[in-house]
Amino acid sequence: KAGVTQTPRYLIKTRGQQVTLSCSPISGHRSVSWYQQTPGQGLQFLFEYFSETQRNKGNFPGRFSGRQFSNSRSEMNVSTLELGDSALYLCASSLAGRIGNEKLFFGSGTQLSVL
Amino acid sequence: GENVEQHPSTLSVQEGDSAVIKCTYSDSASNYFPWYKQELGKRPQLIIDIRSNVGEKKDQRIAVTLNKTAKHFSLHITETQPEDSAVYFCATLDGGYNKLIFGAGTRLAVHP
Repeated sequence: KAGVTQTPRYLIKTRGQQVTLSCSPISGHRSVSWYQQTPGQGLQFLFEYFSETQRNKGNFPGRFSGRQFSNSRSEMNVSTLELGDSALYLCASSLAGRIGNEKLFFGSGTQLSVL
Repeated sequence: GENVEQHPSTLSVQEGDSAVIKCTYSDSASNYFPWYKQELGKRPQLIIDIRSNVGEKKDQRIAVTLNKTAKHFSLHITETQPEDSAVYFCATLDGGYNKLIFGAGTRLAVHP
């Protein structure tokens, strides 16, 4: 079974631009969560989708948005990029969506650099 | 919302020694406590988890203990090996159950 796939692996953007990141979960997994990872800050929760619905979101500004498609693939979008958005963005999938009952499978992440 | 504090931020040990990482949480309703390991340049992977109905769980050289009264849980690694070198993250559920809140991570270095 293929793991969680994130594309692209690396991105370089300039301030003010927007960016879209993609995440394909493990086949059969319906829940996709997104996290921002920066040195010293750990993994900051962005949002979680299940069956095309956002069920939970973290404390990020509205410039960060996401969606999930009927095949469970998910995208996140960041508009009006700022230097502080430079980070590794990780997505994780789980089978049925009760995160308290099952583990997360992470992708390799997209490393975003904002210049 | 839930808050998780993790200590220490860095830990250096000699091969064969034990390592202990501790996390404290704020929400007394939390009932799930996983630990993830992230090797350099790789994705985080679950190594062990514990639920609030048990106080300790072991899996070979790793163990997790939970003290619900004090609201803290710890990861114990015995007989450390160089391949244990990684960043370790603790986590717990926010009250909504669909949101894992992670600690800031502990960078463990095991020296031969």
